[in-house]
Amino acid sequence: AQTVTQSQPEMSVQEAETVTLSCTYDTSESNYYLFWYKQPPSRQMILVIRQEAYKQQNATENRFSVNFQKAAKSFSLKISDSQLGDTAMYFCASPRDNNDMRFGAGTRLTVKP
Amino acid sequence: ETGVTQSPTHLIKTRGQQVTLRCSSQSGHNTVSWYQQALGQGPQFIFQYYREEENGRGNFPPRFSGLQFPNYSSELNVNALELDDSALYLCASSRGSPGAYNEQFFGPGTRLTVL
Repeated sequence: AQTVTQSQPEMSVQEAETVTLSCTYDTSESNYYLFWYKQPPSRQMILVIRQEAYKQQNATENRFSVNFQKAAKSFSLKISDSQLGDTAMYFCASPRDNNDMRFGAGTRLTVKP
Repeated sequence: ETGVTQSPTHLIKTRGQQVTLRCSSQSGHNTVSWYQQALGQGPQFIFQYYREEENGRGNFPPRFSGLQFPNYSSELNVNALELDDSALYLCASSRGSPGAYNEQFFGPGTRLTVL
């Protein structure tokens, strides 16, 4: 993707509830990949979930799922049954080509007990 | 933990100095990318190395340079430091040849402060 936009700088959710983080992107490529990364406070960034654009089925990883709307160029992350350990910065990302990974500005998610 | 380590954890330099940051990738990870993450922002791609050769570069000046070694370690060098270079520097490694589908494993980062 050429650009990745996250319009929610901060969000909060009660423990055990569901939250959706938004991401939009712009690309001229026909096939591409989209990622959500999690960066916990003072800890390493880890991959949460990955979506291949040519696959119509939305990716799911346990409590994490995406809503991929290719025509709208939207790629939102849904976290179900939120846990305190989900508190982190979440980045939407997509490679511009084989090496240039473009990240959004991030959404700071706080899970409240 | 991702198995990717970086050193040092924190570093303070003054404007005009030079700095070398180090990264140790997982064994078998032939590709390493470096990112600059300013406070409150997403990471920005600096460059990528594959099998010890630069394989792509972001919008960073030539005073940002790198090296990759056969033992899966790599370096980021920054010359003539500027105040705006203050940031968290992340390295990320991946297995195999560069590819958009390859998962990148990130290190914890080096926090550089330029005074």
